Amino acid sequence: DTGVSQNPRHKITKRGQNVTFRCDPISEHNRLYWYRQTLGQGPEFLTYFQNEAQLEKSRLLSDRFSAERPKGSFSTLEIQRTEQGDSAMYLCASSPDVTDNYGYTFGSGTRLTVV
Amino acid sequence: KQEVTQIPAALSVPEGENLVLNCSFTDSAIYNLQWFRQDPGKGLTSLLLIQSSQREQTSGRLNASLDKSSGRSTLYIAASQPGDSATYLCAVRRGVKAAGNKLTFGGGTRVLVKP
Repeated sequence: DTGVSQNPRHKITKRGQNVTFRCDPISEHNRLYWYRQTLGQGPEFLTYFQNEAQLEKSRLLSDRFSAERPKGSFSTLEIQRTEQGDSAMYLCASSPDVTDNYGYTFGSGTRLTVV
Repeated sequence: KQEVTQIPAALSVPEGENLVLNCSFTDSAIYNLQWFRQDPGKGLTSLLLIQSSQREQTSGRLNASLDKSSGRSTLYIAASQPGDSATYLCAVRRGVKAAGNKLTFGGGTRVLVKP
């Protein structure tokens, strides 16, 4: 296990379509996070899982967004009825749970373009 | 609400010059601060993690300092090289007693090192 893996790397979709992204965290990490980054900005927090429980959601996560982490392993982020404003880089990160002395490890991201 | 600011937004230096990147945050009740590097269109690579009880961390040519009371961190990159050209992001994590574990990011400093 060499790091956090995200698929797909790029996604182009038409406005109104649904898209789903996948994140595979580092296997021993209990915590998993989703962030969104628009061009020229820092990443913004979307949601956070501890194992399979979704413990926090940002107000940025509208009703069209849903995230799951079944069995506390990989996670999916689905966007329904995509809008052009959803175009961004979607980043996943994971971190261990035990000592809190570790930082986050990010994946390479999924770049979404809504046309 | 925590706000993180990075100044300057962009920086261009000749090769060999030392780089000084600044990060400021409004709420000193942080658990740790992490510096990341991001290449264009890529994910985030962790550079240094400083716990709130630490004053600095070093890794090779990189040194990061933290002054929690004044809400500031500085990333120093010695003897810059063209390969250091990237966007550098700082992120703070809320104090452990606060609910949640999200990172709050600055907008980044885009660095260009000219050969």
